[in-house]
Amino acid sequence: EVQLVETGGGLIQPGGSLRLSCAASGFTVSSNYMSWVRQAPGKGLEWVSVIYSGGSTYYADSVKGRFTISRDNSKNTLYLQMNSLRAEDTAVYYCARQPRGLYFDYWGQGTLVTVSS
Amino acid sequence: EIVMTQSPATLSVSPGERATLSCRASQSVSSNLAWYQQKPGQAPRLLIYGASTRATGIPARFSGSGSGTEFTLTISSLQSEDFAVYYCQQYNNWPQYTFGQGTKLEIK
Repeated sequence: EVQLVETGGGLIQPGGSLRLSCAASGFTVSSNYMSWVRQAPGKGLEWVSVIYSGGSTYYADSVKGRFTISRDNSKNTLYLQMNSLRAEDTAVYYCARQPRGLYFDYWGQGTLVTVSS
Repeated sequence: EIVMTQSPATLSVSPGERATLSCRASQSVSSNLAWYQQKPGQAPRLLIYGASTRATGIPARFSGSGSGTEFTLTISSLQSEDFAVYYCQQYNNWPQYTFGQGTKLEIK
């Protein structure tokens, strides 16, 4: 059974850093395309970043230069390092599997990041 | 960036009736479109990909159609568990994936 479990969210001050983790089971992260998608409170879905099976990474313009996506193959875990956080980064962050980099077929339950002083 | 526009923002339908949700792309996305359902406090769930292919385990009352810039999600006979927010997503312009703003399907 495919499962994705995000951890690492919390309350952080503007300008701070946070690292989110997404532990996967039932499939191999490194053999798949994996993305982070976020949802601000009461708002819609926004794609944040993707890492391809080959290792290439891409980012939404809103986070480029501040966020870094990575994975640990030995732990079968996806990460999102978030630096220089802003109030507008406040959202639930979901990790999702993305077959061939297309649609999102499995999602985690999400982890809430709140950026506030 | 391809902008996805969903209509209406809110749709009120009675159980047992048909619901039709629309999604329009600012430029052609071919058939590279997916639909998701999201209930309060839950992650989105994939319903449809390739504009018309149901995902694993999705009931036959959900159907998708369209290509290019105009797409439709139809729920043929609404069940109580279908009342939720629905999002469309294009993946033609990868890796810049974009979602519509959502349609809230509520009980009339």
